Amino acid sequence: AQSVTQLDSHVSVSEGTPVLLRCNYSSSYSPSLFWYVQHPNKGLQLLLKYTSAATLVKGINGFEAEFKKSETSFHLTKPSAHMSDAAEYFCVVILTSGTYKYIFGTGTRLKVLA
Amino acid sequence: KAGVTQTPRYLIKTRGQQVTLSCSPISGHRSVSWYQQTPGQGLQFLFEYFSETQRNKGNFPGRFSGRQFSNSRSEMNVSTLELGDSALYLCASSLGSTISYEQYFGPGTRLTVT
Repeated sequence: AQSVTQLDSHVSVSEGTPVLLRCNYSSSYSPSLFWYVQHPNKGLQLLLKYTSAATLVKGINGFEAEFKKSETSFHLTKPSAHMSDAAEYFCVVILTSGTYKYIFGTGTRLKVLA
Repeated sequence: KAGVTQTPRYLIKTRGQQVTLSCSPISGHRSVSWYQQTPGQGLQFLFEYFSETQRNKGNFPGRFSGRQFSNSRSEMNVSTLELGDSALYLCASSLGSTISYEQYFGPGTRLTVT
């Protein structure tokens, strides 16, 4: 069965420092993986996606993620945090047997300190 | 291109009542998925409609139902509301094919059951 685990429920960083949000997945075959961001009282916005092309994926707002099959990880990073990055981030694995279904992680709330 | 729209944005209902939420997908998108988001359970998949047919279903009781119209607009209905149904209900649309299944989310409907 496919699943996704976000290792940290809360992460705090200072503005201008790097961001690392961790995600591990479980999949019996090559997965498709997404990162979404949700700002308070808003819907989810797609940050980036991995679909078996390049293992280093660049997304919007300076975020990127690296797919590491050997570690079953898809961690989200950003070199320098901005106050506007404060939000909740969801890692998603796509179940694609027949049709597709999104499996969401439990989310990581990112706090950016001035 | 207009994004996914959901109406109403906020709703207050009483236990035992029923409610209907509406979702208009991005033009050209044929798939609409519904999710329930609560602090305790996170994001949970309700169901997905594609070309007016329910294609996927999550593990929710029969009080939760949906439908999709020929113009791809979708409605979700919850009958006999319970306090635990208080949540943010998110709708997402996508092209719906296995080639491109990125989901685009609406802002959500905040349902409060008193």
